Amino acid sequence: SQELEQSPQSLIVQEGKNLTINCTSSKTLYGLYWYKQKYGEGLIFLMMLQKGGEEKSHEKITAKLDEKKQQSSLHITASQPSHAGIYLCGAVGSNYKLTFGKGTLLTVNP
Amino acid sequence: GAGVSQSPSNKVTEKGKDVELRCDPISGHTALYWYRQSLGQGLEFLIYFQGNSAPDKSGLPSDRFSAERTGGSVSTLTIQRTQQEDSAVYLCASSPGINYGYTFGSGTRLTVV
Repeated sequence: SQELEQSPQSLIVQEGKNLTINCTSSKTLYGLYWYKQKYGEGLIFLMMLQKGGEEKSHEKITAKLDEKKQQSSLHITASQPSHAGIYLCGAVGSNYKLTFGKGTLLTVNP
Repeated sequence: GAGVSQSPSNKVTEKGKDVELRCDPISGHTALYWYRQSLGQGLEFLIYFQGNSAPDKSGLPSDRFSAERTGGSVSTLTIQRTQQEDSAVYLCASSPGINYGYTFGSGTRLTVV
């Protein structure tokens, strides 16, 4: 089965700093999803990447999928307290099952 | 509806009782997923529906767990004889297809006392 490893597990940054979260897959990614979750809430869809080398941006968040389609990174520029939460990467395997990494807990200190 | 709706949002039940959790997906979404998220744990896949059929039930933790989907729409996750280790947030997601984003509901927080 496909396994996703996220790093770091947790991250504390000062407001205004840039940060990167990584997601590495044990198999080729057919579709890679980034979600954000705040404590006690559901998951908020951020972005989906499918093509090797693809890069997408939404406001101050940019996600990339590497050419070999086995690693993705999520980059936040000039972080704000509103960016705090748990970031999850998810991948769809050949069996159409969406599986997730264990998440990265981001804390942004004002 | 505009999003995936789950009910109840919170459920407290006594050990040994049965519970039913409901998920109303976005209209027209053929794929429906159930996940469980325990405190400090990641998202654990439970079951996946394509239409009314469940091609993958591999994530159901035990035979106390079952799920069904009717009319290609509403899904119910039933837990029989609940145990304390069943306490978790149960999340439902739906999607129109593999190349589209998955929309999650806000979850049902189940507490077994």
